[in-house]
Amino acid sequence: IAGITQAPTSQILAAGRRMTLRCTQDMRHNAMYWYRQDLGLGLRLIHYSNTAGTTGKGEVPDGYSVSRANTDDFPLTLASAVPSQTSVYFCASSVLAGYSNEQFFGPGTRLTVL
Amino acid sequence: QQQVKQSPQSLIVQKGGISIINCAYENTAFDYFPWYQQFPGKGPALLIAIRPDVSEKKEGRFTISFNKSAKQFSLHIMDSQPGDSATYFCAASSQKVTFGIGTKLQVIP
Repeated sequence: IAGITQAPTSQILAAGRRMTLRCTQDMRHNAMYWYRQDLGLGLRLIHYSNTAGTTGKGEVPDGYSVSRANTDDFPLTLASAVPSQTSVYFCASSVLAGYSNEQFFGPGTRLTVL
Repeated sequence: QQQVKQSPQSLIVQKGGISIINCAYENTAFDYFPWYQQFPGKGPALLIAIRPDVSEKKEGRFTISFNKSAKQFSLHIMDSQPGDSATYFCAASSQKVTFGIGTKLQVIP
């Protein structure tokens, strides 16, 4: 049982390059989320998807895009990376969208933009 | 604007002592308050959660105290152990979850 997998584990990227962070869950959860974690700022929601085929903007969506073509996959794309996007990125999922549903997190992707 | 304020940012506690982490919120629409625990190199994982209709919830050595009128809630870790060393996030949610900035706890032998 994998839960949530993220790839790559870490990446160093030149500014201006395009990058896609992958996220796959095998729990058949409806809702999925992308967060970035920065020291002193905690976890901030980038984008979310309440169900396959729908997406929404979180607290810090600028410079990022997502898609949800199916239940299992929720990739996050940086169209043109900038150094301020250096962070640890976590994908998460929950059974349903909604406040009382436990979120299950992946192991994270550490991204450095130079 | 930080919707969930968490303190302290770091905490050192002696083994066997009590660790206390505090959070405060502004939005009265929040109605679910989870705490997540994160070990180095791992993603956060749900530790314990409370709804505002109760003032306290206890699971083993972990207790959430909730003060609805003051819009404050706290995590107490009794008999703290070195294995509790981790980062703890409080959170509050209505339709989406808003996290605090996290508290790095170190329990020293």
